[in-house]
Amino acid sequence: GENVEQHPSTLSVQEGDSAVIKCTYSDSASNYFPWYKQELGKGPQLIIDIRSNVGEKKDQRIAVTLNKTAKHFSLHITETQPEDSAVYFCAASRGTGGFKTIFGAGTRLFVKA
Amino acid sequence: ETGVTQTPRHLVMGMTNKKSLKCEQHLGHNAMYWYKQSAKKPLELMFVYSLEERVENNSVPSRFSPECPNSSHLFLHLHTLQPEDSALYLCASSPAAVDGGKLFFGSGTQLSVL
Repeated sequence: GENVEQHPSTLSVQEGDSAVIKCTYSDSASNYFPWYKQELGKGPQLIIDIRSNVGEKKDQRIAVTLNKTAKHFSLHITETQPEDSAVYFCAASRGTGGFKTIFGAGTRLFVKA
Repeated sequence: ETGVTQTPRHLVMGMTNKKSLKCEQHLGHNAMYWYKQSAKKPLELMFVYSLEERVENNSVPSRFSPECPNSSHLFLHLHTLQPEDSALYLCASSPAAVDGGKLFFGSGTQLSVL
């Protein structure tokens, strides 16, 4: 079946450093790629998303890049802060016309003060 | 607040018990979902409802029984569960099932089956 691979599973960075999380997907029909952040005791929350007609999107300290040819997409967090510590999930879906969202297994990010 | 409320937050039940999980969304969305979250595994889609009609059942055992009485409420009825069913059960909603990418999740029910 279709799947999304996410790496690394755990990432530890020093406050102020950058963090990068990478995902690959198998369904070539995927055209919508959201990223979710899950804090302790809460459900996943959408933090940024990108559609297949765009190669990069930025929102303050976070950015996503997409390489449709290679079926890769990445999350970049700059100037990390302790409150960025959480589990991050990438996902891929067919968006309009399909409702199945395939999630990666998650990356636990630790930001050390 | 995400606009999706789940109760209870925690539930401990024996294998012979019957219990129900409740989800309510205040976003005016037309689609609602149940996901299962186990440690170190991707989120597993269980059920999808669109305009109160079930449109997806991902080979979920019959001991899990969903109910969607209206577009704002979703239930998951549980009976004769197994210890491996212990997990975080997440409810989500989206504006429409055909645009299921943007999901709004509740905080989940942490279920322990003894």
